[in-house]
Amino acid sequence: AQSVTQLDSHVSVSEGTPVLLRCNYSSSYSPSLFWYVQHPNKGLQLLLKYTSAATLVKGINGFEAEFKKSETSFHLTKPSAHMSDAAEYFCVVSDPLGSSNTGKLIFGQGTTLQVKP
Amino acid sequence: EAQVTQNPRYLITVTGKKLTVTCSQNMNHEYMSWYRQDPGLGLRQIYYSMNVEVTDKGDVPEGYKVSRKEKRNFPLILESPSPNQTSLYFCASSRGHNSPLHFGNGTRLTVT
Repeated sequence: AQSVTQLDSHVSVSEGTPVLLRCNYSSSYSPSLFWYVQHPNKGLQLLLKYTSAATLVKGINGFEAEFKKSETSFHLTKPSAHMSDAAEYFCVVSDPLGSSNTGKLIFGQGTTLQVKP
Repeated sequence: EAQVTQNPRYLITVTGKKLTVTCSQNMNHEYMSWYRQDPGLGLRQIYYSMNVEVTDKGDVPEGYKVSRKEKRNFPLILESPSPNQTSLYFCASSRGHNSPLHFGNGTRLTVT
């Protein structure tokens, strides 16, 4: 069965320092993996997506994530945090078409990123 | 403008009074789904639809119904709401289940 674990519920960094948000997944297949961001009182917005083309995926706003099959991880990083990055971040797994889980999306519990001046 | 529109944004109701939350998308997307968001639990999928007249249960379907009579609309129905359905609800759509989701702005439901 699919599952997603975001290892930190809350991460605090100083502006200008690197960001690391950790995500581990479990899937019986080669899944698609996503990171979404949610700013306060807003819906979710896609940051980036992995679908087996390249293990290092670049997203919007300077974020990137690396798919590591051996570690079943898909951690989100950014070299230098900006105040506008403060938000909640969700890691999501989806199994491929044809699997028994087709159509199901599993969200992690979310990580709140705080950016201090 | 491409968008997913949910209505209402806020709803307060009483236990047992049937309600419907509407969701409409103007992008001709085949895939639509409903989620509830609760503190510490992230988003949990309630129901999803791969296409017109094709719906399936997500992880928390109990107490909810959906229908997909036309491509653009995917209403969420609570036949007999209960307080444990108090939550923030999101509708989303995409070209396919492995394509990026476009989210509505959410419906905050309170059941007393």
